[in-house]
Amino acid sequence: AQSVTQLDSQVPVFEEAPVELRCNYSSSVSVYLFWYVQYPNQGLQLLLKYLSGSTLVESINGFEAEFNKSQTSFHLRKPSVHISDTAEYFCAVSDSGGYNKLIFGAGTRLAVHP
Amino acid sequence: ETGVTQTPRHLVMGMTNKKSLKCEQHLGHNAMYWYKQSAKKPLELMFVYNFKEQTENNSVPSRFSPECPNSSHLFLHLHTLQPEDSALYLCASSQGGTPEETQYFGPGTRLLVL
Repeated sequence: AQSVTQLDSQVPVFEEAPVELRCNYSSSVSVYLFWYVQYPNQGLQLLLKYLSGSTLVESINGFEAEFNKSQTSFHLRKPSVHISDTAEYFCAVSDSGGYNKLIFGAGTRLAVHP
Repeated sequence: ETGVTQTPRHLVMGMTNKKSLKCEQHLGHNAMYWYKQSAKKPLELMFVYNFKEQTENNSVPSRFSPECPNSSHLFLHLHTLQPEDSALYLCASSQGGTPEETQYFGPGTRLLVL
């Protein structure tokens, strides 16, 4: 069975500082990997995803994540965060040979302080 | 209306009540999902519908009853719930129900069972 572990439940950081949100997964099959973000009082929205090809994927708002197959990780990074990045971030995995079933981690709350 | 909408946004019900949650997607998608989001826990996939057919029931208690009359609408009928069922219930949709697709989420219904 697949599972996703987000190692930090909360990450406080100052504005303009770099941040890394960690995600590890376990799976015996090939997977697709996702990061979703949830702003207060909203549903989740896709931030970025890895399907194949380059192991480094980027979002339009400066986040990036790198797929590391040997370490079964998909950590999310941003070199300089803004107050508006304050949100909850969810890592998720799906079986690339299966159907549309996403397995989520418990989430990491990113709190950006001025 | 655009995207995925959910009504009501908030619901308080007693354990003997019967209520329904409604989800509507305006994206022309063919797959719809119900998730349960509880504090400090990963999102739990409850049900998946592909082209109006239920393809996943993730061991959900029978007091939760889904209904998908067409590809645009999804309901979750609730009866004799327990206090531990209090949570945010999220609806999502995706294009064709394949594992690489982005899922689009509604804002959720915050349910409190007294």
